[in-house]
Amino acid sequence: AQTVTQSQPEMSVQEAETVTLSCTYDTSESDYYLFWYKQPPSRQMILVIRQEAYKQQNATENRFSVNFQKAAKSFSLKISDSQLGDAAMYFCAYRSYDISSGSARQLTFGSGTQLTVLP
Amino acid sequence: DGGITQSPKYLFRKEGQNVTLSCEQNLNHDAMYWYRQDPGQGLRLIYYSQIVNDFQKGDIAEGYSVSREKKESFPLTVTSAQKNPTAFYLCASSERDLSYNEQFFGPGTRLTVL
Repeated sequence: AQTVTQSQPEMSVQEAETVTLSCTYDTSESDYYLFWYKQPPSRQMILVIRQEAYKQQNATENRFSVNFQKAAKSFSLKISDSQLGDAAMYFCAYRSYDISSGSARQLTFGSGTQLTVLP
Repeated sequence: DGGITQSPKYLFRKEGQNVTLSCEQNLNHDAMYWYRQDPGQGLRLIYYSQIVNDFQKGDIAEGYSVSREKKESFPLTVTSAQKNPTAFYLCASSERDLSYNEQFFGPGTRLTVL
């Protein structure tokens, strides 16, 4: 079974600075998707960024970018110019599919990293 | 506004009682999901439905039941057989149950067993 590990339960960053959240995963599959979700204090999960394993180029969404290292099975999230509104729990997630049937497997989440942004 | 609504926001239950958590979406999505979130853990899948009148068990389905009679609705019943039901429950939906599709989440229901 696939597992997703987030080894940093808590992180903090100064406003306007850059922070990187780590995520590693374990899989024997070659094609899959990786996601970072944000859960603010309201607790409603929001997709931050998504990466397909076959794409070499790292995904970016405004101030959010990833460093995807497929061989190392690493998928870190970089937040640039951190803002107070970035304070949240961040979850890394993995999803693949059954090659024979094409059916998607379930989304597997890491345990999360609580990010604090200091003014 | 399109989105997912969950009700109630907070729910209290006495031991031995069944309770039903509501989840409604107006995004016209085919797939819907129920997750459980416990402190210090990621989300774990309880049940999911790819289409109306069909649903499958996730990793932790024991003590829970669902129905999918309408496309927009996917209620979750927490039965008395669930030994540790106190948790935060999140409902999600996606256009189709495909691995690359974004899942959109509701605001959640906090269930406390007294």
